[in-house]
Amino acid sequence: SQQGEEDPQALSIQEGENATMNCSYKTSINNLQWYRQNSGRGLVHLILIRSNEREKHSGRLRVTLDTSKKSSSLLITASRAADTASYFCATDNDYKLSFGAGTTVTVRA
Amino acid sequence: NAGVTQTPKFQVLKTGQSMTLQCAQDMNHEYMSWYRQDPGMGLRLIHYSVGAGITDQGEVPNGYNVSRSTTEDFPLRLLSAAPSQTSVYFCASSYGEGADTQYFGPGTRLTVL
Repeated sequence: SQQGEEDPQALSIQEGENATMNCSYKTSINNLQWYRQNSGRGLVHLILIRSNEREKHSGRLRVTLDTSKKSSSLLITASRAADTASYFCATDNDYKLSFGAGTTVTVRA
Repeated sequence: NAGVTQTPKFQVLKTGQSMTLQCAQDMNHEYMSWYRQDPGMGLRLIHYSVGAGITDQGEVPNGYNVSRSTTEDFPLRLLSAAPSQTSVYFCASSYGEGADTQYFGPGTRLTVL
């Protein structure tokens, strides 16, 4: 069953703007991961944040984790056309990953 | 390294036919898994393996079989294809357990008529 749920389902922004998407989950986790999927391709790992971490950065990506609220957010700063993709959060559930349905981000030129 | 490879990229089957989706990885990963992706539902785990000779069921195993005779290969067999198995199938691998960073293959788009 899906553990994580992303919000919003879809997001359209102008190039150069920031994109923020959220992930909520139901049960306690050891880590939470974010993946990107370009159209017709496999998923690519972006970042992993552990349950004892509150914030993590990787290039233009910033991930936060609030275990008290069982939620995480992914911020993409200064978006580019190449950021157009679907973004998925994944939480560990019994030593396996459970994926949400994803947020589709469209970056307009 | 080629990473995770999957064949075929596309496949059309008739109801009742059987076939095997191939998956191979060259990273010496112990953990391998199969997911299916359907519109609006994210990825759902079909079967997984924690090492050669060891497999287990995921969330949606019915209608699928797997085996793991080598570390590199993890084929997925559809026993008798049904239209409900129309989906995109992804194979993934990781160094450690299933909750570690997953490396995904490019996917196989399967249509069952």
